[in-house]
Amino acid sequence: AQTVTQSQPEMSVQEAETVTLSCTYDTSESDYYLFWYKQPPSRQMILVIRQEAYKQQNATENRFSVNFQKAAKSFSLKISDSQLGDAAMYFCAYRVSAGAGSYQLTFGKGTKLSVIP
Amino acid sequence: KAGVTQTPRYLIKTRGQQVTLSCSPISGHRSVSWYQQTPGQGLQFLFEYFSETQRNKGNFPGRFSGRQFSNSRSEMNVSTLELGDSALYLCASSLGLAGYEQFFGPGTRLTVL
Repeated sequence: AQTVTQSQPEMSVQEAETVTLSCTYDTSESDYYLFWYKQPPSRQMILVIRQEAYKQQNATENRFSVNFQKAAKSFSLKISDSQLGDAAMYFCAYRVSAGAGSYQLTFGKGTKLSVIP
Repeated sequence: KAGVTQTPRYLIKTRGQQVTLSCSPISGHRSVSWYQQTPGQGLQFLFEYFSETQRNKGNFPGRFSGRQFSNSRSEMNVSTLELGDSALYLCASSLGLAGYEQFFGPGTRLTVL
């Protein structure tokens, strides 16, 4: 079974500092997608960043970047210049093939990020 | 373009009742997936609908069912509610089959008393 593990249930960061959230996954597939989603207290899940496994270059979206280590099955999220609005639950997710062209997302348990003013 | 909408946002039911939740995807999106989120189990995949057909189903009992209409709107039904069904139910839409980018709705908070 495909699993996604986020080993840090909670983390905190000082405003304007950098924080890294960890994620590891288990898969036997060679081509797949990985995602980081953010869920603020409003509960709306928002896609932060995605990474295609076939791409060696790490994805970057403004202050958010990933460190994708395919061999180690590691996919960490780095948030630079942290802002108060970054406070949220962050979920790592893996897109799993379910056969017949269908896919589903498997999520980690999440990391609650607090930003200290 | 309007985002994914879910109704109702909050719902309180008692054990044994049934409930229907609704999800309207982003215009043009044909895939709708449903997830259950609880503090204990986290986010778990329920099922995906594409072009009115269920394409994939997670590991949930038959009390959980759904359907999709020709306009891509989807409903999820839970019959004979149990206390453990209390959760946030999230709907996500994508252009194609669980496409590589899913857009989530705000969720429906279901409380079973």
